[in-house]
Amino acid sequence: RKEVEQDPGPFNVPEGATVAFNCTYSNSASQSFFWYRQDCRKEPKLLMSVYSSGNEDGRFTAQLNRASQYISLLIRDSKLSDSATYLCVVFSSGGYNKLIFGAGTRLAVHP
Amino acid sequence: EPEVTQTPSHQVTQMGQEVILRCVPISNHLYFYWYRQILGQKVEFLVSFYNNEISEKSEIFDDQFSVERPDGSNFTLKIRSTKLEDSAMYFCASMKEAANGYTFGSGTRLTVV
Repeated sequence: RKEVEQDPGPFNVPEGATVAFNCTYSNSASQSFFWYRQDCRKEPKLLMSVYSSGNEDGRFTAQLNRASQYISLLIRDSKLSDSATYLCVVFSSGGYNKLIFGAGTRLAVHP
Repeated sequence: EPEVTQTPSHQVTQMGQEVILRCVPISNHLYFYWYRQILGQKVEFLVSFYNNEISEKSEIFDDQFSVERPDGSNFTLKIRSTKLEDSAMYFCASMKEAANGYTFGSGTRLTVV
C-alpha cells in the first residue's frame, strides 16, 4: 500500500462547482497533515494544515478521520484560479524529518 | 513574506559532471530539506538536515549526493557525477516548526544531457 494515496483525477468542473478530494495514508502513527497546491512546473505551496476537528479557510474545508486514516479537502464555489494539482501531504511518524507526498489530484476549472 | 531562495533556476549539465544546487532558507528556520520531482511524477524526499547534520536520507540520496550548510545561511546540494536520471526539479525547503509545514523554494530544474 502506498504511504499516501489520492484520487487519481483529473477533475474537470465548471466555475462555481463544489469539488472534493480524498486521501488515505498508511501510517497510523502520522501526526501532522497538510494540503499543498502545485501549479504546473512550480513549487508546492501550503494551502492549509488539517486538524483533527476539521478546519475551514474561506472556500476550503479540510477534514481528518484518524480512525479511517482519511483526509479530505472540499472546495466550494470553484474559481478558474483554483486550477492546479492538489497534494495530500503527511508528516512521517516519529518526528519532523520528512513530508510524504501523495501523487496529487489535478483540478481543472472551466468557464 | 519570507522566502526560500534557490539558484540557479535552470541548470544544464553533461552526464558525469558535478553540480551544486544552492538554497538560502528562511533565516529563523531550523530544519532544511531537499526534495526532487521528476517530470510528471510525485515530489520525493531526498534528505533532511537539522543541527548541522543529516537527520534522515532516502534511498535516492546515495554516495553521489551530499549536502552542506557552509556558512549559516546557504544550504547546498551537490551531485558528484550526474546521470541522465538525475534530471528533475530539485526543491529546497525549510521549516521552523512542524505545525507550520514547510516553505519551498521555487526550485532548480536540472537537465542532464
